Amino acid sequence: QVRLVQSGAEERKPGASVTVSCKTSGYSFTFYFIHWVRQAPGQGLEWMAVINPSDGRATYSQKFQDRLTVTADTSTSTVFLAMSTLRPDDTGVYFCAKVGGIVVEPPAIGSLDSWGQGTQVTVSS
Amino acid sequence: SYELTQPPSVSVSPGQTARITCSGDALSKKYASWYQRRSGQAPVMVIFDDKKRPSGIPERFSGSSSGTMATLTISGAQAADEGDYFCYSTDISGYQGVFGGGTKLTVL
Repeated sequence: QVRLVQSGAEERKPGASVTVSCKTSGYSFTFYFIHWVRQAPGQGLEWMAVINPSDGRATYSQKFQDRLTVTADTSTSTVFLAMSTLRPDDTGVYFCAKVGGIVVEPPAIGSLDSWGQGTQVTVSS
Repeated sequence: SYELTQPPSVSVSPGQTARITCSGDALSKKYASWYQRRSGQAPVMVIFDDKKRPSGIPERFSGSSSGTMATLTISGAQAADEGDYFCYSTDISGYQGVFGGGTKLTVL
């Protein structure tokens, strides 16, 4: 079955960087886009980025495009989210999610049919 | 930036019908999907492509869309349906994803 398993909780100080991984299995990795979504405490879901694992092209939310890098490793079927210059309001749970349909453009369309378990990122001095 | 608007909360009695709306200018041209999130759990997709129900989701969940508004309907709501519900879609270009602010469903 489809599985998305994320790396464990991270704690960072303001100004630092963090990388979260999302290891996938149970489907053809290069056929389905992967999205990243986060939820800050008391807030709603927030769309961050999407990547096409077949060619590594990522599209970012305008809010994060200066601090975010999303990459894909086809040899391990893993997607990575790297965020720099962390701030306390980056604290939250970060999710990866697989699109429900075969790769299509434009990249953000589609529905998110399988999700990782979430990774808690805490930014505090 | 593009926004999707949801009511902050909806409350119904058990067995009643709950309706959660999601409004956005691009919804007349872009599909919406809906997600349930219970505390401490990953979101679960309950409706995709406006009105399609994934396998394993109870039939009491349905979706519709008209003009610039998408609606999630839970017919005969149960206590197990309590949680936060989010709609998802994109701006008109399809390059920027966006979630609605979320609706807390209470069944009591």
